Amino acid sequence: DAGVIQSPRHEVTEMGQEVTLRCKPISGHNSLFWYRQTMMRGLELLIYFNNNVPIDDSGMPEDRFSAKMPNASFSTLKIQPSEPRDSAVYFCASSLPLNSWGANVLTFGAGSRLTVL
Amino acid sequence: RKEVEQDPGPFNVPEGATVAFNCTYSNSASQSFFWYRQDCRKEPKLLMSVYSSGNEDGRFTAQLNRASQYISLLIRDSKLSDSATYLCVVTLNQAGTALIFGKGTTLSVSS
Repeated sequence: DAGVIQSPRHEVTEMGQEVTLRCKPISGHNSLFWYRQTMMRGLELLIYFNNNVPIDDSGMPEDRFSAKMPNASFSTLKIQPSEPRDSAVYFCASSLPLNSWGANVLTFGAGSRLTVL
Repeated sequence: RKEVEQDPGPFNVPEGATVAFNCTYSNSASQSFFWYRQDCRKEPKLLMSVYSSGNEDGRFTAQLNRASQYISLLIRDSKLSDSATYLCVVTLNQAGTALIFGKGTTLSVSS
C-alpha cells in the first residue's frame, strides 16, 4: 500500500498566484481530510469529505480556498489568489468510514509545504 | 477557549526517565480520544487510542478522566527515539465530525 500520496511536496510561489495541492487517498478509504499546520495555530481541519461529498468546510479560511473530490481516488485543494499568510504545511489524510462517534484512525500524507512570497 | 489544550513544552528528559503529558478538552460530548506522534518535518501518526478504562501499550500508558475532561500520556523508560511532538486528539459525537488536534507537546530525550 503506497499510503496517502500528496503533491507537490514543496511549492514556492508569489503572492497572487494560484496554488493547487493534490491528494490521492488510500484505496478503500472513503473519508478524506485536508489539514493545515503552522507553528502558531497547530493542525487545523480545513474540510473533509465522506464518499466524495464535502461534509464540513467550516474550517476553510475564506473564499480564496476551495476543495474538490471528483472521485474516490483524488482530491484537490486550491488557493486563489495566494497570500503570504497561507504559508504552511498542508496535510491530506484519509480513513475508513467514520463511525457514529466520528472515530477512526487517520493516515496522513507526507504533506505539501507551501511558501508564498 | 481552545477545544484541545496541551502544554507545549518542551520537556527535556534524560534517557530512562518517566514523563507525563496532559491534555484538556472543552467539549463534554467528546467520545473518542487519541494520541498521535509527529516527528520533526514529518506527518502525524497514530500512537494509541485512549479508552475509558485506560490502556497500556508497552512503555506507553494513556488515561482518560471524563469528569475532568482530561487525557494523559505516560512514557516510561524514555528512549532517544521517543523525541517527537505528541498530539492530543479528540472527536465529537456528532456524525461526520472529524478529529480535532491539540497543538502538541514536544519531548526531547537526551543521552
